[in-house]
Amino acid sequence: AQSVTQLGSHVSVSEGALVLLRCNYSSSVPPYLFWYVQYPNQGLQLLLKYTSAATLVKGINGFEAEFKKSETSFHLTKPSAHMSDAAEYFCAVSDGLSGSARQLTFGSGTQLTVLP
Amino acid sequence: DAGVTQSPTHLIKTRGQHVTLRCSPISGHKSVSWYQQVLGQGPQFIFQYYEKEERGRGNFPDRFSARQFPNYSSELNVNALLLGDSALYLCASSPNQGGGNIQYFGAGTRLSVL
Repeated sequence: AQSVTQLGSHVSVSEGALVLLRCNYSSSVPPYLFWYVQYPNQGLQLLLKYTSAATLVKGINGFEAEFKKSETSFHLTKPSAHMSDAAEYFCAVSDGLSGSARQLTFGSGTQLTVLP
Repeated sequence: DAGVTQSPTHLIKTRGQHVTLRCSPISGHKSVSWYQQVLGQGPQFIFQYYEKEERGRGNFPDRFSARQFPNYSSELNVNALLLGDSALYLCASSPNQGGGNIQYFGAGTRLSVL
């Protein structure tokens, strides 16, 4: 079975500061990993996706994430936070090989607040 | 191009009633998945349909059912509604059923059960 743990349900940063959102996964086979963002009253928008091509993945809006197999982590970072980054962020895993390949398993989410 | 569209956007029902939620995938996408997002939690997988056949089912009771039509649109049905069914129901589409495929989400249907 696959699972995702997001450490920190709420993270606050100042505008211009580094954003770091943590994600650890569990999967019995090499995983596909995703970060999605959800703005209030909206659906989920894909930020970036890891599919084993490269361990450092660049996404939209200046976000990037690094896959670390030894740490089973896929943390999301952005060098400089902007007010528009305030939203809820979800890490998700799909293992791609087993019967559960067809579903995404999500973490519980991290609410990012950006302070002026 | 139109994204994933869901209807209705909001719905209020009472306990014991039945509800049908609808989803139109992105043009050309043959796979549709349904997720339930309870307030304060991450989405939970309910169903995946591909080429009109159920290809995956999450840990939800038989009160939940779905189907996919020849045009790849989909319906999610929930019978005998419970208060705990109150949630945002998200539909996602992808080109096919592979695990590495990006799933594109609609804005969701917010269901309130009173």
